[in-house]
Amino acid sequence: EAQVTQNPRYLITVTGKKLTVTCSQNMNHEYMSWYRQDPGLGLRQIYYSMNVEVTDKGDVPEGYKVSRKEKRNFPLILESPSPNQTSLYFCASRGLALNTGELFFGEGSRLTVL
Amino acid sequence: GENVEQHPSTLSVQEGDSAVIKCTYSDSASNYFPWYKQELGKRPQLIIDIRSNVGEKKDQRIAVTLNKTAKHFSLHITETQPEDSAVYFCAAHFLTGGSQGNLIFGKGTKLSVKP
Repeated sequence: EAQVTQNPRYLITVTGKKLTVTCSQNMNHEYMSWYRQDPGLGLRQIYYSMNVEVTDKGDVPEGYKVSRKEKRNFPLILESPSPNQTSLYFCASRGLALNTGELFFGEGSRLTVL
Repeated sequence: GENVEQHPSTLSVQEGDSAVIKCTYSDSASNYFPWYKQELGKRPQLIIDIRSNVGEKKDQRIAVTLNKTAKHFSLHITETQPEDSAVYFCAAHFLTGGSQGNLIFGKGTKLSVKP
């Protein structure tokens, strides 16, 4: 089954404790992206990647890091989480053939930073 | 800069009425325009998309129109039902500028369909 898998789905942590949210896709997609969603603010892009070893900042990259060492994985790293990073996070992927592939979302990871 | 504007931010209609959501984009080279529906507590899911070589596309009660000259596209939902209540996002695939290759989303429209 084609899917984007995020882990963990729910996490409560404390300020300053490094954490990683993993994202994996099994569709051989070139493009992957991370979004955060807060009430009333829609989907805000954090980082995106067009392929292995290629990453670019989105609208709200501050406080986040990503890596794309393998095509299927795109982890989101919070080196020193702060309460303002409490949010719902979505990972997504799409194929870039013909530039018109559907974007598939993971189920989301709800993060609370105390 | 690269941008997708979406209006309105909230829309309330009576069951059975039509709903229209409009988006404009800044990159005249954009060639792909999807619409996503996000129900409460769930992930966004694709409901319809249109490519730049087509002016209109329909799928049952949902249609999307594209005006490339005006850089404008719209989602039309006819005979709305309570289950259409959700947040809808438009997006555009950018081919030029700093966001080349990226899919840029509008800020979303919260649609409420009253029984």
